[in-house]
Amino acid sequence: DIQMTQSPSSLSASVGDRVTITCQASQDISNYLNWYQQKPGKAPKLLIYDASNLETGVPSRFSGSGSGTDFTFTISSLQPEDIATYYCQQYDNLPGTFGQGTRLEIK
Amino acid sequence: EVQLVQSGAEVKKPGESLKISCKGSGYSFTSYWIGWVRQMPGKGLEWMGIIYPGDSDTRYSPSFQGQVTISADKSISTAYLQWSSLKASDTAMYYCASLIGYWGQGTLVTVSS
Repeated sequence: DIQMTQSPSSLSASVGDRVTITCQASQDISNYLNWYQQKPGKAPKLLIYDASNLETGVPSRFSGSGSGTDFTFTISSLQPEDIATYYCQQYDNLPGTFGQGTRLEIK
Repeated sequence: EVQLVQSGAEVKKPGESLKISCKGSGYSFTSYWIGWVRQMPGKGLEWMGIIYPGDSDTRYSPSFQGQVTISADKSISTAYLQWSSLKASDTAMYYCASLIGYWGQGTLVTVSS
């Protein structure tokens, strides 16, 4: 069973800041990693697939990188509408596992 | 337009059985894995299990193995999540989700005596 360690668990930043979230897999998952955004009361929304590919329609301020066991998710310039919880998810070993989530707040 | 449409909210008593559904449309339902995700109140996302509707290959997370049953009827493009005996601790929002990033709207299951 692959464990995904996501950090930090919460983050407070100002509008315009660069925000970075990391996710570490307990074993090599190649690039089989998604990043999701979840706003309160809503289903999660896919932002990044295959570690670094931007889903259609997602703003270019969101990006992802990494392969193997270490992955990074970045918001280049934080906007008020980006307030949400973010999750990484591996799908190399099905059924897949999520990280614990990062709650992002505006300072 | 790709859609995953889940069945409505349920209120059940402990010990009762339940089967909730997720109907796919707008894509080749049999060609992509589709799974179920639990979100307990105020908590994170947990993959419960996943099924490939084309051949019904099913994988469960260790925490959910033996606790639920996942199935699919490819003739009607629908996946299911089933409990034989609900507990209060099964109270949660349940989402179906495809590995290509599409999610259902969620089904709230409340188990209370």
